Amino acid sequence: AQSVTQLDSQVPVFEEAPVELRCNYSSSVSVYLFWYVQYPNQGLQLLLKYLSGSTLVKGINGFEAEFNKSQTSFHLRKPSVHISDTAEYFCAVHNTDKLIFGTGTRLQVFP
Amino acid sequence: DSGVTQTPKHLITATGQRVTLRCSPRSGDLSVYWYQQSLDQGLQFLIQYYNGEERAKGNILERFSAQQFPDLHSELNLSSLELGDSALYFCASSVGPENTGELFFGEGSRLTVL
Repeated sequence: AQSVTQLDSQVPVFEEAPVELRCNYSSSVSVYLFWYVQYPNQGLQLLLKYLSGSTLVKGINGFEAEFNKSQTSFHLRKPSVHISDTAEYFCAVHNTDKLIFGTGTRLQVFP
Repeated sequence: DSGVTQTPKHLITATGQRVTLRCSPRSGDLSVYWYQQSLDQGLQFLIQYYNGEERAKGNILERFSAQQFPDLHSELNLSSLELGDSALYFCASSVGPENTGELFFGEGSRLTVL
């Protein structure tokens, strides 16, 4: 069965610093991978996706992620974060008819 | 604004009671998904409907049921409520029957069972 592991439950960072949110997946077949963001008191919003092709994918709000098949990882990065990036970030793997989410990483950006 | 509407936003009820959560998908979307988000279980897929028919089933308890109506809105019915059912329930929608992973989520219905 496919699964997703988000290694950090919380990531504190200062404004304008770079950030990386880690995600590892397990799957024996080709995968589709996603990052969703949940701002306070809102629903989840698609940040970016990897379906095939280039392993570096760019999303909204300056985020990008790199698919690494050998390390089964799909880490999310941003070179310079803003206060407004404070949110919960979910990595997800597509499994047949279902989207399986990780447990989430809380990104807290401090001024 | 995702275009997915969920009501009510907040609901407080007692154990043993029954509640109904409602979802209107984005205009043009035929699939509706229900997810449960709790602190201990994270985001769990419950069930998917496509154009009125059950399409996929996840970790949905027997005490829970859902349906999708001809106007495509969906309702999630939770009965014999227990304390552990307290959670945020999300509805999401997409265009086709296949879950491609690209879902549009509502803002959720927060259920508190006392």
